[in-house]
Amino acid sequence: DTEVTQTPKHLVMGMTNKKSLKCEQHMGHRAMYWYKQKAKKPPELMFVYSYEKLSINESVPSRFSPECPNSSLLNLHLHALQPEDSALYLCASSLRTGPQETQYFGPGTRLLVL
Amino acid sequence: AQKITQTQPGMFVQEKEAVTLDCTYDTSDPSYGLFWYKQPSSGEMIFLIYQGSYDQQNATEGRYSLNFQKARKSANLVISASQLGDSAMYFCAMREGYGGSQGNLIFGKGTKLSVKP
Repeated sequence: DTEVTQTPKHLVMGMTNKKSLKCEQHMGHRAMYWYKQKAKKPPELMFVYSYEKLSINESVPSRFSPECPNSSLLNLHLHALQPEDSALYLCASSLRTGPQETQYFGPGTRLLVL
Repeated sequence: AQKITQTQPGMFVQEKEAVTLDCTYDTSDPSYGLFWYKQPSSGEMIFLIYQGSYDQQNATEGRYSLNFQKARKSANLVISASQLGDSAMYFCAMREGYGGSQGNLIFGKGTKLSVKP
């Protein structure tokens, strides 16, 4: 089973709202990732968690706040977003970080900021 | 310099024909992994095939095969017997050795494949 689940599938929020994206995997993977993907572009890495510790933050604005409560769950808390933050947000996981490890992606959350 | 180059923004193929999607990469790291993902319009990134830098043989997964030419730094995806459901965006990606990047995925810009009936 290589399933990564993400909720919600779609999200519309105003610039003053606070919302959260959720990602879950039960494959025993110890590395989890958040990506942002704009239309017709490749995904851009936002955050990497390795063994529940934040290991990479790719200079993401503080209005995005990741959280890894346990090895199966990854959240992305959103606050005071801008319209340009509208995008597809993809979560992925892999057994570990490293060049030989395959990342498996969830179906994504389509976010629209009004 | 781009680490992953996909030179074909769009490709057309007739149903049941084979198609090759090009990918070249650039790295000085001896340990790396090459991946192909398919992204239909629904948005999900679907893992297709993996090739390790030390693998002697080309990877194959069902109708997908990876033509790995290490000296040329190319990792082309071959899809045999195309189906209408193969219409999607295809991304080539690379993970380099441990280092500071922790093996993060570097994506190419993608190739949009359209299968004609």
